[in-house]
Amino acid sequence: GNSVTQMEGPVTLSEEAFLTINCTYTATGYPSLFWYVQYPGEGLQLLLKATKADDKGSNKGFEATYRKETTSFHLEKGSVQVSDSAVYFCAHATNTGNQFYFGTGTSLTVIP
Amino acid sequence: NAGVTQTPKFQVLKTGQSMTLQCAQDMNHEYMSWYRQDPGMGLRLIHYSVGAGITDQGEVPNGYNVSRSTTEDFPLRLLSAAPSQTSVYFCASSYSLGGDVNSPLHFGNGTRLTVT
Repeated sequence: GNSVTQMEGPVTLSEEAFLTINCTYTATGYPSLFWYVQYPGEGLQLLLKATKADDKGSNKGFEATYRKETTSFHLEKGSVQVSDSAVYFCAHATNTGNQFYFGTGTSLTVIP
Repeated sequence: NAGVTQTPKFQVLKTGQSMTLQCAQDMNHEYMSWYRQDPGMGLRLIHYSVGAGITDQGEVPNGYNVSRSTTEDFPLRLLSAAPSQTSVYFCASSYSLGGDVNSPLHFGNGTRLTVT
């Protein structure tokens, strides 16, 4: 079946710390992989994506690499800011793109 | 450009009542979908539509109906609300399928529903 597993939160970091949020997936074929971010009181927004093995998605200092051999798509940022505080969701789309599967979300709080 | 608009933002229902959650997008997106967000469960797909007149079931469709009479609107109907349907509901749309980077899912701000 299709599923996404991401690390449990909440995660609390000091400003300028290094961030890693782990994500692994189960899917048929070779899905596209995504990270979405949800700020308080808002809907989800696309943060970055990758469409094939070894692709690296990047945006706003965040990066994630599509690792087919480990079925993973871990999110990283070298130096987090208070404004990065949000809930982060890992997701994949089926080959047809009709259905997206989301992880449970990881809440990140960055303290000054 | 309003994007994806969901109404209402909050709703309280009694068990057995019916209601419709509204979703409208002004981006001429073909693909529209409904998700529910529950603690520890992430987002789960309820129903989706790939164009006007076409709908299909997602992961958790039971207790919900949808229709797509126009490209812009994709209402979600609860015919007989149950406490298990207490959740935050998100509508999302995209221009095309496949989650292309140029056509990501655009989400509304959600409807928080409580069923007592």
